Amino acid sequence: DIQMTQSPSSLSASVGDRVTITCRASQGIRNDLGWYQQKPGKAPKRLIYAASSLQSGVPSRFSGSGSGTEFTLTISSLQPEDFATYFCLQYNSYPALTFGGGTKVEIK
Amino acid sequence: EVQLVESGGGLVQPGGSLRLSCAASGFTFNSYEMNWVRQAPGKGLEYLSYISRSGSTLYYADSVKGRFTISRDNAKNSLYLQMNSLRAEDTAFYYCARGNRVDYWGQGTLVTVSS
Repeated sequence: DIQMTQSPSSLSASVGDRVTITCRASQGIRNDLGWYQQKPGKAPKRLIYAASSLQSGVPSRFSGSGSGTEFTLTISSLQPEDFATYFCLQYNSYPALTFGGGTKVEIK
Repeated sequence: EVQLVESGGGLVQPGGSLRLSCAASGFTFNSYEMNWVRQAPGKGLEYLSYISRSGSTLYYADSVKGRFTISRDNAKNSLYLQMNSLRAEDTAFYYCARGNRVDYWGQGTLVTVSS
């Protein structure tokens, strides 16, 4: 199975900060990766697909980059509504999908 | 608008059974593979099962193979997960999710396995 290692597991940041979250794959997955935002009691929401494509309706402050084994989600200017948990998902080996462990973004 | 609504969760004793449902709307259900994913409270996400568009191809994670059965009814725009021989470690929120790129998720249903 492909393992996804996500870091950090949590971070504290202020409104307006630039935030970066990383996922590393145990083997190359091309650009078969998505990034998701999850808030308590809500359905996970896809932000990025194909590693760097912005989901329709998602603010442009969210961006993704990377290919192969290393991927990054960047929030260019953190907004109050962005405090949530973020996770990556690789679908290169579908249906054997694997998730990153998640990053909880908290208010400093 | 794409909507996925899970139901059927609840409290069940160890060894018991539950059947989860996922009602889909806002898209052509039979054009998409479908998936079940779970998340134990305070833990990460675990992929459980896949079903092809026709229902002819199935996949299960090792953790649920032989105990859980995925199925779908394209006429009813519905996805199901039959869960048997439930264990305490199956306690989790269960989500249905659409497609091989997992673009939309439901908001989940809680299954608690406890005596």
